[in-house]
Amino acid sequence: GQQLNQSPQSMFIQEGEDVSMNCTSSSIFNTWLWYKQDPGEGPVLLIALYKAGELTSNGRLTAQFGITRKDSFLNISASIPSDVGIYFCAGFSPQGAQKLVFGQGTRLTINP
Amino acid sequence: SQTIHQWPATLVQPVGSPLSLECTVEGTSNPNLYWYRQAAGRGLQLLFYSVGIGQISSEVPQNLSASRPQDRQFILSSKKLLLSDSGFYLCAWSRTGGSTEAFFGQGTRLTVV
Repeated sequence: GQQLNQSPQSMFIQEGEDVSMNCTSSSIFNTWLWYKQDPGEGPVLLIALYKAGELTSNGRLTAQFGITRKDSFLNISASIPSDVGIYFCAGFSPQGAQKLVFGQGTRLTINP
Repeated sequence: SQTIHQWPATLVQPVGSPLSLECTVEGTSNPNLYWYRQAAGRGLQLLFYSVGIGQISSEVPQNLSASRPQDRQFILSSKKLLLSDSGFYLCAWSRTGGSTEAFFGQGTRLTVV
């Protein structure tokens, strides 16, 4: 099935630093979604992207839908302690438009 | 507004016992419904998805099955649990047609002992 490769797997940063993570696929995607998951909770949707080249912001978060439709990135600016968690990319592929697949996640740890 | 409910929140079951996890969605019609499993510290593995009543797509051959007896109800079942079935089970929904936002329930922590 479709695979999403997300990197890095983990990040250890200082509070106030900017963060960048990305997701790539061997096949094109129609939609890219970015989620954050806190321990013991379900993932919460952060940003949804629907068009190649689209750049969307949500507060300190910015995400882009790659031109090739095979990648996406998420940036977090001026990180704060509550940004700690696991971030996932996800996408609906044209081959299985109803099927939502996920990357492996990026675990973000922030040192105060 | 739409809401998704999953229960129970936690469950401890002995090996060989049956399983039934339920997920319901409110405030929308004919949603796409999904079941995922997440091992500790790992990503989300898609188990089943459904685009309509009685329509189930299975992604991974395993000891589990899914059913959709009503439009907004999705059930994950097993006849006999294995130790390897332990994990965090998540239900999600998206609008019909796919390629839109998807929203998750709070999850069920299953421990098979």
